[in-house]
Amino acid sequence: DGGITQSPKYLFRKEGQNVTLSCEQNLNHDAMYWYRQDPGQGLRLIYYSQIVNDFQKGDIAEGYSVSREKKESFPLTVTSAQKNPTAFYLCASSNRDSLNTIYFGEGSWLTVV
Amino acid sequence: GQNIDQPTEMTATEGAIVQINCTYQTSGFNGLFWYQQHAGEAPTFLSYNVLDGLEEKGRFSSFLSRSKGYSYLLLKELQMKDSASYLCAVNSNSGYALNFGKGTSLLVTP
Repeated sequence: DGGITQSPKYLFRKEGQNVTLSCEQNLNHDAMYWYRQDPGQGLRLIYYSQIVNDFQKGDIAEGYSVSREKKESFPLTVTSAQKNPTAFYLCASSNRDSLNTIYFGEGSWLTVV
Repeated sequence: GQNIDQPTEMTATEGAIVQINCTYQTSGFNGLFWYQQHAGEAPTFLSYNVLDGLEEKGRFSSFLSRSKGYSYLLLKELQMKDSASYLCAVNSNSGYALNFGKGTSLLVTP
């Protein structure tokens, strides 16, 4: 089945550590995104990528990094520079053919311990 | 900047109709989306409007007025499972990325 797969579902990070969240899609979508959601809040854009080997900062990119070496994959690294990383992270993808409708993965919960 | 406003919370009764409003002020406009999100889950796509008017899809309808920067989501024949957060999002031409409002938490009561 086509879809977007995020892993892990739950992740605990010690202070000072970098962690990487995986996102893979088999929808053949050109564009991929990372959003962050805090409790009771809307989604805020971290990074997005419209094509392979290219990505753009969103509204809250500081403390995060991404890569887009393959069309199917868009991993997000939460670095130690991100001072408040505890949140729900959502990966998404879209395509012009689908009117740019964004489809989301199941999300990853990151907690700092 | 981008500004998308929606009410924080709403309560409605099972079987009733509820309208969730969204106003937006964005630097560009290339479509407005509504998503449903249950607690702890990913948002799921409900509707898309790019032209003025009403789009109907089963129990859910969405309306857009571009000149007023206004949209609403109309939910009919409310069911308990409709209790969720409803997110309004605008594509404002910054690539394909969507800008989201903070969401409206809808509680459906018996």
